[in-house]
Amino acid sequence: SAVISQKPSRDICQRGTSLTIQCQVDSQVTMMFWYRQQPGQSLTLIATANQGSEATYESGFVIDKFPISRPNLTFSTLTVSNMSPEDSSIYLCSVEFVSSNTEAFFGQGTRLTVV
Amino acid sequence: QKEVEQNSGPLSVPEGAIASLNCTYSDRVSQSFFWYRQYSGKSPELIMSIYSNGDKEDGRFTAQLNKASQYVSLLIRDSQPSDSATYLCAVNNFGNEKLTFGTGTRLTIIP
Repeated sequence: SAVISQKPSRDICQRGTSLTIQCQVDSQVTMMFWYRQQPGQSLTLIATANQGSEATYESGFVIDKFPISRPNLTFSTLTVSNMSPEDSSIYLCSVEFVSSNTEAFFGQGTRLTVV
Repeated sequence: QKEVEQNSGPLSVPEGAIASLNCTYSDRVSQSFFWYRQYSGKSPELIMSIYSNGDKEDGRFTAQLNKASQYVSLLIRDSQPSDSATYLCAVNNFGNEKLTFGTGTRLTIIP
């Protein structure tokens, strides 16, 4: 089965700094998404990562705060910029494979703590 | 009104019994329905997908979909302690690849 590698798995960052999270898949995917899951909460979609073009952001999320890149079909990054403690959360990469019939699969997640 | 609603639980079920998890959704054009299992500290894992009305069985799991009533359920037969987790219902709509998640139901199987 395909492997979705997300890194780092966790980090503790100082407020005001930025962290870039990487998501690498070992086979081609049609869609890549970034989610946030705050403690004890469900998943909230941040944006859809579009290959070779600007990401599509959901309401409440902006490019300046969460810049996203997707240079090819199998790789994407999410940056959390100018972090504050409110950004402490789990960030998850999700992908849909060419053959998966809209089924979405998740990376291991990145647990971010901002101090 | 929330788009996808689940009872947050916790739901406690004795080992060996049937666990029943329910989910309702508000958008009638919803097309695809998914159940994810999430262990504490882990990412969600897809366990069932269902696209048409009726039942779909996979091992101890059965997903049930009723589009007229706008609900989808997950039955877990012969519940095991390893089934203790949060179960997330997710829905997407025709022409829209994005998933909308419910808040999840925390299930505890009591030995």
